[in-house]
Amino acid sequence: GAVVSQHPSWVICKSGTSVKIECRSLDFQATTMFWYRQFPKQSLMLMATSNEGSKATYEQGVEKDKFLINHASLTLSTLTVTSAHPEDSSFYICSPWDSYTFGSGTRLTVV
Amino acid sequence: GDSVTQMEGPVTLSEEAFLTINCTYTATGYPSLFWYVQYPGEGLQLLLKATKADDKGSNKGFEATYRKETTSFHLEKGSVQVSDSAVYFCALKSGAGGTSYGKLTFGQGTILTVHP
Repeated sequence: GAVVSQHPSWVICKSGTSVKIECRSLDFQATTMFWYRQFPKQSLMLMATSNEGSKATYEQGVEKDKFLINHASLTLSTLTVTSAHPEDSSFYICSPWDSYTFGSGTRLTVV
Repeated sequence: GDSVTQMEGPVTLSEEAFLTINCTYTATGYPSLFWYVQYPGEGLQLLLKATKADDKGSNKGFEATYRKETTSFHLEKGSVQVSDSAVYFCALKSGAGGTSYGKLTFGQGTILTVHP
């Protein structure tokens, strides 16, 4: 399966600040990347789909202005949580389209 | 839309006991099916997969058979170990013709605890 590197592994930030999460494909070109979110003791839910060179698509209930996605190259997709609040604390994880592998995930804690 | 229903947990077993975690699905098209494992504080690891009906996925003593007639993909292991304690997720990836092609849909997860 595809190899995906995700950074950072964990981050603690203050309310109101922004956090950028990177997902990098190491051995292939990912035209599409899926971003999932997992709240404590819950399952993973698809948040959004990033597409290289075009706008991301967001699942129902996910604020596109809050979760900014950029997929500027075939090897890098980023998710920026803007003006983070404690309710955004979650585990964020990426996965390339047509793959069954995942990045290692980012645990975000907003204090 | 696609959905995955997983046996509710938590499941608590003694070491060397037999494990079954039930998983059923609803999907259009021809999905692939997966079991993932998540250890505390870590990301997801693929445990096994099956891409078509009657395929059996296996890894580390775990097995699951893709049953199209019952839309099921139950996870089994004959003798669990303490190190198997983790959260297990059943997942589906829609195939071509499905409305969610390429996306993974997850079950709610089952917490497994194995005692010595």
